[in-house]
Amino acid sequence: GESVGLHLPTLSVQEGDNSIINCAYSNSASDYFIWYKQESGKGPQFIIDIRSNMDKRQGQRVTVLLNKTVKHLSLQIAATQPGDSAVYFCAENMGAQKLVFGQGTRLTINP
Amino acid sequence: KAGVTQTPRYLIKTRGQQVTLSCSPISGHRSVSWYQQTPGQGLQFLFEYFSETQRNKGNFPGRFSGRQFSNSRSEMNVSTLELGDSALYLCASTPVGNTEAFFGQGTRLTVV
Repeated sequence: GESVGLHLPTLSVQEGDNSIINCAYSNSASDYFIWYKQESGKGPQFIIDIRSNMDKRQGQRVTVLLNKTVKHLSLQIAATQPGDSAVYFCAENMGAQKLVFGQGTRLTINP
Repeated sequence: KAGVTQTPRYLIKTRGQQVTLSCSPISGHRSVSWYQQTPGQGLQFLFEYFSETQRNKGNFPGRFSGRQFSNSRSEMNVSTLELGDSALYLCASTPVGNTEAFFGQGTRLTVV
């Protein structure tokens, strides 16, 4: 079915540590996944994406890992900064710009 | 380049009324999609338009409708408002040949 979920609703990390946000998806035929960041009062902002023919993709301080065997997606944020505080969503592109979002993980950075 | 613009930012309506929300996509983007965001249901896809045609639709009742104009601007309408329609309505635009969706700040609709 069409469902994308998250393992943890909240995550609290120390500034400077690495953060890992997890996501499970159910549609094994999905071939495109995206991570979004949503700050308070703003719309979701694209962070990084990955296609199903890849296992890993790196951006600036972020890495997305895709494990198709267990239908699992993760977002790693290196050296977490206060500005990383936000809600993070994984999303599955179902075609024709239809995104199915997970419930979101709130990331809080402790000084 | 200006981002996706949604108007109004905030709206309060009474049950039974109807409402129209507007979205101006990034210049050159021809795909516009709409999402409803609530604390309980999260972000849910409403519909997507491309070149004035609805290409995809989510699982929402017929009270939710939309349209797209020749300049790619889009509107969504909700008729016979219910309390449960209170939500943040987000619009996203996507350039041709790309899959990255750019979101606006949303319209916060409160139904009382």
